[in-house]
Amino acid sequence: SQTIHQWPATLVQPVGSPLSLECTVEGTSNPNLYWYRQAAGRGLQLLFYSVGIGQISSEVPQNLSASRPQDRQFILSSKKLLLSDSGFYLCAWSVWGELPGSAIYFGEGSWLTVV
Amino acid sequence: GEDVEQSLFLSVREGDSSVINCTYTDSSSTYLYWYKQEPGAGLQLLTYIFSNMDMKQDQRLTVLLNKKDKHLSLRIADTQTGDSAIYFCAVLLSGGYNKLIFGAGTRLAVHP
Repeated sequence: SQTIHQWPATLVQPVGSPLSLECTVEGTSNPNLYWYRQAAGRGLQLLFYSVGIGQISSEVPQNLSASRPQDRQFILSSKKLLLSDSGFYLCAWSVWGELPGSAIYFGEGSWLTVV
Repeated sequence: GEDVEQSLFLSVREGDSSVINCTYTDSSSTYLYWYKQEPGAGLQLLTYIFSNMDMKQDQRLTVLLNKKDKHLSLRIADTQTGDSAIYFCAVLLSGGYNKLIFGAGTRLAVHP
């Protein structure tokens, strides 16, 4: 069965420091990968998605970037964090054509607090 | 762009039924989903419905889809305290890769 791992689970970083959140998926090949952010009390915002190695699409302009160095690895980065980057970050995966209707499956999330 | 809207809060008594509503704008959405998020955790896929269906029942969960009005609802029968969570509606955009657009989530509070 497929599993998704995301780390670190919790992170407290000072303003201006770099960020690296990592996500790996097991049990599937060539998944679509996603980074979502959930700000406090708000819904989910799609930040990045990737349909293959090295292929990254950004949904919103921001202080963050994403990379996919391997088929099942997705990394969210920042060179200099802002206070507004605080939130709950969720990695997710899907495989087109698989039931149910290519639903997206989420990791457990990473809490980022920028101080 | 595509928009998905939900009411933000719902409070019900334990044992009653809960109904969480969602409206969306993309009439060509093929699949619609309900996810559950417990405190501090990721999202868990609860159920889904294909756009050519009006209703789907899965144990205590009933999903109703009114495609004409672009309205989706999730009914939880015999609501329990363990059902307290945030419930997200999501729709699959038509065309291209599988991109889901989420609502802001409805926080369900179940009280004795």
